[in-house]
Amino acid sequence: AQSVAQPEDQVNVAEGNPLTVKCTYSVSGNPYLFWYVQYPNRGLQFLLKYITGDNLVKGSYGFEAEFNKSQTSFHLKKPSALVSDSALYFCAVRDWGGATNKLIFGTGTLLAVQP
Amino acid sequence: SAVISQKPSRDICQRGTSLTIQCQVDSQVTMMFWYRQQPGQSLTLIATANQGSEATYESGFVIDKFPISRPNLTFSTLTVSNMSPEDSSIYLCSVEDPGSETQYFGPGTRLLVL
Repeated sequence: AQSVAQPEDQVNVAEGNPLTVKCTYSVSGNPYLFWYVQYPNRGLQFLLKYITGDNLVKGSYGFEAEFNKSQTSFHLKKPSALVSDSALYFCAVRDWGGATNKLIFGTGTLLAVQP
Repeated sequence: SAVISQKPSRDICQRGTSLTIQCQVDSQVTMMFWYRQQPGQSLTLIATANQGSEATYESGFVIDKFPISRPNLTFSTLTVSNMSPEDSSIYLCSVEDPGSETQYFGPGTRLLVL
């Protein structure tokens, strides 16, 4: 069965510093991987995805993620954090095992950027 | 990407009652999904809403508790029936953008059951 793990419940970083939010995956087929962000009292917003192609994918708001097949990881990164980046981040993987195109979500990582 | 709206945005309900949540998309989509996000938790798929056929429910979710309608390619409803406090959650609909393999989410409906 497909799954994703986000090992950190919370990541703290100072504004201006680089940030990394970790995600590892387990899939039985080709990994379709996604990052979403949830701001307080808001829905989920799509940030970026890896389907195929370059291992480094760029997304919204200056975020990027690196697909690493050997380490089965898809960490989210940003070179310089902003206070406004503080939110809940979810990694997700497409589930190929069922009849629908559902996403399997990680448990989420709360990013706190201090001024 | 598709623009998705949900009604209501939030509600407070009494136990034993039912609430119907609406999801409207600004373009025709084949697949619509309903997710639940319990307090402090991740998202779990409730069901996939298919136009013209019965919804496909995930393990642990049943049609009697969460009936779904999908009358056309731009609209779906999810009803939370005979509510209990355990149903207090955020309910989100999503759609898959054809050809992009990406799901986009509505703003969610925040439900509190007393």
